Amino acid sequence: GQQLNQSPQSMFIQEGEDVSMNCTSSSIFNTWLWYKQDPGEGPVLLIALYKAGELTSNGRLTAQFGITRKDSFLNISASIPSDVGIYFCAGQLSAMDSNYQLIWGAGTKLIIKP
Amino acid sequence: KAGVTQTPRYLIKTRGQQVTLSCSPISGHRSVSWYQQTPGQGLQFLFEYFSETQRNKGNFPGRFSGRQFSNSRSEMNVSTLELGDSALYLCASSLVGRMNTEAFFGQGTRLTVV
Repeated sequence: GQQLNQSPQSMFIQEGEDVSMNCTSSSIFNTWLWYKQDPGEGPVLLIALYKAGELTSNGRLTAQFGITRKDSFLNISASIPSDVGIYFCAGQLSAMDSNYQLIWGAGTKLIIKP
Repeated sequence: KAGVTQTPRYLIKTRGQQVTLSCSPISGHRSVSWYQQTPGQGLQFLFEYFSETQRNKGNFPGRFSGRQFSNSRSEMNVSTLELGDSALYLCASSLVGRMNTEAFFGQGTRLTVV
């Protein structure tokens, strides 16, 4: 089936550092969504992107919809302990027969080094 | 506006039994999707229901089934439980349409099979 390649798989960072993660695919997407999941909870929507080239911020988070419509990245500036968690990207395929199904990346686990 | 509600939050079942999980979507949302998440893993798509019809289906055995009622509430059923079915089961609801693909998740049901 369709896949999103999300990288890195995990990140160990110091508090205060900036973080960058991305998702890529060989397919074209209409929508990119970024979620954060805390342990034992459901993912929470952080940012939604609907146009190629769109750059959207939500506090210290910034995400962009790639110009080719095949990728997206998420940046977190000046990380703090509560940023720890798993970040997922999700995209909706552009194909007419995609049936609005979301395709999910495998997640990036963010760990802050003590 | 109330969020997505999943019941129960926690469940312990014995191998061979069956289980039914419930999901109440956000008011007005007609699409409900189900995901399985095992420890350290990403979101594995089970199926999606829209207007009481299964619209998309993941790659899970027939022991996993679901349905949606006229009020958009959904249930998923797992029959003949196996130890490997132990997981966090997440439900997500969304509006329908190209610009309305954002999925909103419940807190999940933690199923433990012993």
